[in-house]
Amino acid sequence: ETGVTQSPTHLIKTRGQQVTLRCSSQSGHNTVSWYQQALGQGPQFIFQYYREEENGRGNFPPRFSGLQFPNYSSELNVNALELDDSALYLCASSLRLADTQYFGPGTRLTVL
Amino acid sequence: GDSVTQMEGPVTLSEEAFLTINCTYTATGYPSLFWYVQYPGEGLQLLLKATKADDKGSNKGFEATYRKETTSFHLEKGSVQVSDSAVYFCALSNAGKSTFGDGTTLTVKP
Repeated sequence: ETGVTQSPTHLIKTRGQQVTLRCSSQSGHNTVSWYQQALGQGPQFIFQYYREEENGRGNFPPRFSGLQFPNYSSELNVNALELDDSALYLCASSLRLADTQYFGPGTRLTVL
Repeated sequence: GDSVTQMEGPVTLSEEAFLTINCTYTATGYPSLFWYVQYPGEGLQLLLKATKADDKGSNKGFEATYRKETTSFHLEKGSVQVSDSAVYFCALSNAGKSTFGDGTTLTVKP
């Protein structure tokens, strides 16, 4: 069984640019959540998708947006990048809502 | 909003010592509580969970009990090993949102 995968592993962007991060959920999982983890801190919840609909959102501005596709893979898009967006971005999938989450290895985003 | 406060680290112990990492939370309703672990060079993985008051989660010798009266979910292990060296995160899940603490780094020395 394939675990949660994320791409790319590392990414460098400049301020003001846009970025798309991708996540493939574990097979059969219909729920995906995205997190931002700054250095030395715990993951901060960005949003959750369940069966292609946004199911919950944390305290992030609208320039953070997402999509979940029919095959339950997912994207996180960030527009107008700021220096503070530099962080590790994690996605986690679960079989159902409120079920155990399985985390991917993350994408390290650096904004210069 | 919901919040999780966990014991600040780093924590350094000798092998076979007793471990406690404190975690308290603030939340409305009835959250589920979790401990996640991140070993060096690896991703976050679930260590244990509890979904209602007085439930005890356990795994790999670690235990934590959901205490609603004290809003706590302290992590304990009776005898730590060098291989337990990692970062430990306390977290809650409530109405579709997850909230994590800032993590506690544990180093176990032989």
